[in-house]
Amino acid sequence: QQQVKQSPQSLIVQKGGISIINCAYENTAFDYFPWYQQFPGKGPALLIAIRPDVSEKKEGRFTISFNKSAKQFSLHIMDSQPGDSATYFCAASSPYGNKLVFGAGTILRVKS
Amino acid sequence: KAGVTQTPRYLIKTRGQQVTLSCSPISGHRSVSWYQQTPGQGLQFLFEYFSETQRNKGNFPGRFSGRQFSNSRSEMNVSTLELGDSALYLCATSAGLYGYTFGSGTRLTVV
Repeated sequence: QQQVKQSPQSLIVQKGGISIINCAYENTAFDYFPWYQQFPGKGPALLIAIRPDVSEKKEGRFTISFNKSAKQFSLHIMDSQPGDSATYFCAASSPYGNKLVFGAGTILRVKS
Repeated sequence: KAGVTQTPRYLIKTRGQQVTLSCSPISGHRSVSWYQQTPGQGLQFLFEYFSETQRNKGNFPGRFSGRQFSNSRSEMNVSTLELGDSALYLCATSAGLYGYTFGSGTRLTVV
């Protein structure tokens, strides 16, 4: 029940295209769903996050779509750029555990 | 605004030794969490401290321990190191329940 399943494992997108990464969870107690971006040699950096009372949140080129009934959420990167090439992690947190449960990560490569 | 500072950045230790890693949180952040990142297991939660109290612990053996000081700085200790403990150890801090900021991590290599 603590798992967060992320797909795809890797993704190649042309510059200017849309990158889509999906995650699914089982624990209905999760109430906070962040996405992190990680570059080699660096720690994960918070990109965007959503609470389950909202179905979509947009910040610049990054959008989270959230489907509470399906227990799924996804990250859309519009107009993908080579600088977006990184590993992306979805995560979920509940107020009980005060911890993040991470997906396995998606390696994104944007081809110029 | 200074970020989360982890020291040292790199460590090489021998099997059986012990190691202590340090994390200085962002000013005002009282919650400090530790994560282990490996290629095989991904990012796994170790433990979380708030006001010098461990509030939550992940599924790691007792060789992994931590503590938090009154200034919110935290340390984690791994005793009797094993080869499988080689990983990037990340500290994440937060002012509340959400919005965790990660440090750049300590890369531990056990030989």
